[in-house]
Amino acid sequence: KNQVEQSPQSLIILEGKNCTLQCNYTVSPFSNLRWYKQDTGRGPVSLTIMTFSENTKSNGRYTATLDADTKQSSLHITASQLSDSASYICVVSARNYGQNFVFGPGTRLSVLP
Amino acid sequence: GAGVSQTPSNKVTEKGKYVELRCDPISGHTALYWYRQSLGQGPEFLIYFQGTGAADDSGLPNDRFFAVRPEGSVSTLKIQRTERGDSAVYLCASSRTPPGLAASSTDTQYFGPGTRLTVL
Repeated sequence: KNQVEQSPQSLIILEGKNCTLQCNYTVSPFSNLRWYKQDTGRGPVSLTIMTFSENTKSNGRYTATLDADTKQSSLHITASQLSDSASYICVVSARNYGQNFVFGPGTRLSVLP
Repeated sequence: GAGVSQTPSNKVTEKGKYVELRCDPISGHTALYWYRQSLGQGPEFLIYFQGTGAADDSGLPNDRFFAVRPEGSVSTLKIQRTERGDSAVYLCASSRTPPGLAASSTDTQYFGPGTRLTVL
């Protein structure tokens, strides 16, 4: 069964600190992996997209990594800001199911002053 | 507007009633998706339209749920005989091109703010 798991479920950090969020998946055959940021009461917004051949992708203070062998991805946030407080959702799509985007449950990040 | 819009933003209804949720995708986006999101969970796929046709409706939970996109733009998600378990945020997303075999920024989904449905 195609599944995406994320850890931790929630995380609290102080402003200015770094953090890393984890994503493990069993989606096969793998096509691509995306990280989304979802602010409370809003729809998710795409941060990064990675294919099988990409190991890392950056978007400002966000850096995503992908290990297709172990089926793991991480999202590293550098120098966190209060506005980073949101849910971060890992989404994996399978090559045979173009429209089947499998969403993880998300990690709820709270950045405190 | 520049983004995906959904109306209403909130809908409260009584068990057994019929509801319609509307989605206005980004102009020119051919693909449209409906998702349902429960508190603390990631979005759950419901249905995907390519143009006017439902390319995949495998996520619809039962025959009380139906969606249309008659002119290939605006879509309406219809729920009959609502149940308390239908309470969730219903998200709509659109993308410029259909999902492809390779990652592409053109098939990135842009989400609307969602409609929060509460069935009493």
